[in-house]
Amino acid sequence: QLQLQESGPGLVKPSETLSLTCTVSGGSISSNNYYWGWIRQPPGKGLEWIGSIYYSGSTYYIPSLKSRVTISVDTSKNQFSLKLSSVTAADTAVYYCARQSILYWCFDYWGQGALVTVSS
Amino acid sequence: EVVLTQSPGTLSLSPGERATLSCRASQSVSSTYLAWYQQTPGQAPRLLIYGASSRATGIPDRFSGSGSGTDFTLTISRLEPEDFAVYYCQQYGSSPLFTFGPGTKVDIK
Repeated sequence: QLQLQESGPGLVKPSETLSLTCTVSGGSISSNNYYWGWIRQPPGKGLEWIGSIYYSGSTYYIPSLKSRVTISVDTSKNQFSLKLSSVTAADTAVYYCARQSILYWCFDYWGQGALVTVSS
Repeated sequence: EVVLTQSPGTLSLSPGERATLSCRASQSVSSTYLAWYQQTPGQAPRLLIYGASSRATGIPDRFSGSGSGTDFTLTISRLEPEDFAVYYCQQYGSSPLFTFGPGTKVDIK
C-alpha cells in the first residue's frame, strides 16, 4: 500500500523559508505514470495546488507562487521536497503531498498533511 | 484561468437521502481531467471520482459522477453517516494547471 508522509518544521518565522519533505513508501517515486505534488489548505479554507514534479526533475508551479517555490526530488531516498521562501502569515496552512496520475491528472494518494504556522 | 464554482455551498440532508452536488467551470474542461474528492474534518482529501465518472479504488457505488463541458455533478444515492463531509471538484487544464472548487459541505439536517 502506497504511503506518503510529510515532515518538517511546524513553525517558521516571517521572511524565512518553509521546507517540507515527503517520503514515499510502498512504491517507487521513479514510476513513469505519476507526478508528485504539493497542495496546501489554509485553516478553514479550500485546497490550493502549489506545484508538481516528475522523477526526472521536470516541474510545474502555480504562477502566483512560482517566484518563491522550489520543488525537488531525490530518487535515491524516494523523497520529494518543497521550499517556499519569504513566507508570511498568509502561508500558514496544512501542506499535503500527493501522487498524481498522469492519465487523469488527479491526486490519488495523499499524505496526512503537515500544519505549518508562520509566526514570529 | 479555469475557475470552478461549486453549489450549493452547504447541503443539509438526512441519512438515507440523495445528495446532488454541482461543479461548474468557467470554460470547458475535458471530462478526462475532472475529479471529485471527499474531506472529513482533520483528514486529508480522498479521491472519489476521476475522469468525471469513474470511481476510485474502494469507493462505494452509491457515489457517482457525471457531466461534461462546463457542468459536472457528483451524486450520492443514499447518504451514510460517514458521507457527511466536504466535497471538492478539481480540474486539470490551462494555467494554473490544477484548480479546485471551493467545496460543498454536506451536513446532517
